[in-house]
Amino acid sequence: DSGVTQTPKHLITATGQRVTLRCSPRSGDLSVYWYQQSLDQGLQFLIQYYNGEERAKGNILERFSAQQFPDLHSELNLSSLELGDSALYFCASSVAYGGAYEQYFGPGTRLTVT
Amino acid sequence: DQQVKQNSPSLSVQEGRISILNCDYTNSMFDYFLWYKKYPAEGPTFLISISSIKDKNEDGRFTVFLNKSAKHLSLHIVPSQPGDSAVYFCAASADTGNQFYFGTGTSLTVIP
Repeated sequence: DSGVTQTPKHLITATGQRVTLRCSPRSGDLSVYWYQQSLDQGLQFLIQYYNGEERAKGNILERFSAQQFPDLHSELNLSSLELGDSALYFCASSVAYGGAYEQYFGPGTRLTVT
Repeated sequence: DQQVKQNSPSLSVQEGRISILNCDYTNSMFDYFLWYKKYPAEGPTFLISISSIKDKNEDGRFTVFLNKSAKHLSLHIVPSQPGDSAVYFCAASADTGNQFYFGTGTSLTVIP
């Protein structure tokens, strides 16, 4: 158990809908990262927050947004969903930001868009 | 643009033998490298790391080698055990950056 929790574990929704994925980092970690893993793909970095502030953006679509709240939990909002958004979405946390800090991953949320 | 590449999608090894997983990168600014292991239905778990000031780091049965001139790293598992069967991802970061770049993973099967 990494100490990172993600809810829900599974989500099935229809095209055009909007969903919210939730992540609680490990106790004491200030950085939260979101990744997308599509079939046969590696982990694609989406966005990173540190202590409530956005620190880095990766391949995140404009239809997606995220935020980190004062209690450090984070939410990833996906809107106008398309079939291609079906994927595993992972949240990870680390104590700080920067390459020297390994990230601890949650179990993921499997999103299926039908 | 895939900056970290794992060109072998899968690898099968007999129990007790050595498993060698390879990873190549293109960005010379990367100076911190990690290996993660992932079981089905779980998130990746950190395995071992190496910074660019070293060329080898060892932790029990796991050793990571870094060849900066070739922009190549490898993970050696000796001896391989059936419980090592998982997908292994390598990741790289520039210490001044804020994101890790992951490879597409290599699925290791250790045959009893």
